[in-house]
Amino acid sequence: GAGVSQSPSNKVTEKGKDVELRCDPISGHTALYWYRQSLGQGLEFLIYFQGNSAPDKSGLPSDRFSAERTGGSVSTLTIQRTQQEDSAVYLCASSGSGKYQETQYFGPGTRLLVL
Amino acid sequence: EDQVTQSPEALRLQEGESSSLNCSYTVSGLRGLFWYRQDPGKGPEFLFTLYSAGEEKEKERLKATLTKKESFLHITAPKPEDSATYLCAVQTGTASKLTFGTGTRLQVTL
Repeated sequence: GAGVSQSPSNKVTEKGKDVELRCDPISGHTALYWYRQSLGQGLEFLIYFQGNSAPDKSGLPSDRFSAERTGGSVSTLTIQRTQQEDSAVYLCASSGSGKYQETQYFGPGTRLLVL
Repeated sequence: EDQVTQSPEALRLQEGESSSLNCSYTVSGLRGLFWYRQDPGKGPEFLFTLYSAGEEKEKERLKATLTKKESFLHITAPKPEDSATYLCAVQTGTASKLTFGTGTRLQVTL
């Protein structure tokens, strides 16, 4: 079956512009996660959705970052007034119900470059 | 704060030369330890979940083990197609998020 998909696969933007990254989870998965992977660093958790609500937003680095999920499916991560340090690969994952010990399946990521 | 440390950072093996990758962790209330494989330009691919000390899981040339302080990913007679970055992650308490180590970059040559 179809896995997690993300778009765009690559995004180049200028400093100060806003960007939107999209994630389509595996059909039927109620839990959705966003992570960020910077060069030389491990994957860093950003936010977790259960259905359309976000019980854990603890990883969002600043108020320039926001995310929403609609219809219990597609999620959008928005970065406002991008900075060069936002350059990274943004990865989305989904799991069946969000319970602990459940496998998270990752998408291919969006590579963001802020010039 | 949960901490996950992977070693070595990079490992170069010849085809058929077995070795082990280490993932040590300092956490409260481990619920699961996850191993993923990541190829360049792709997202992490799930390999194993280990839940309690003493547990072992195998898949082809890979075997993962877990103690109270660390996990090992043993690679037996590796092939060039096993070349990838191997990531370890933990899930703790009632949180759903994963905390990752920085990975081990494995290169297997002919």
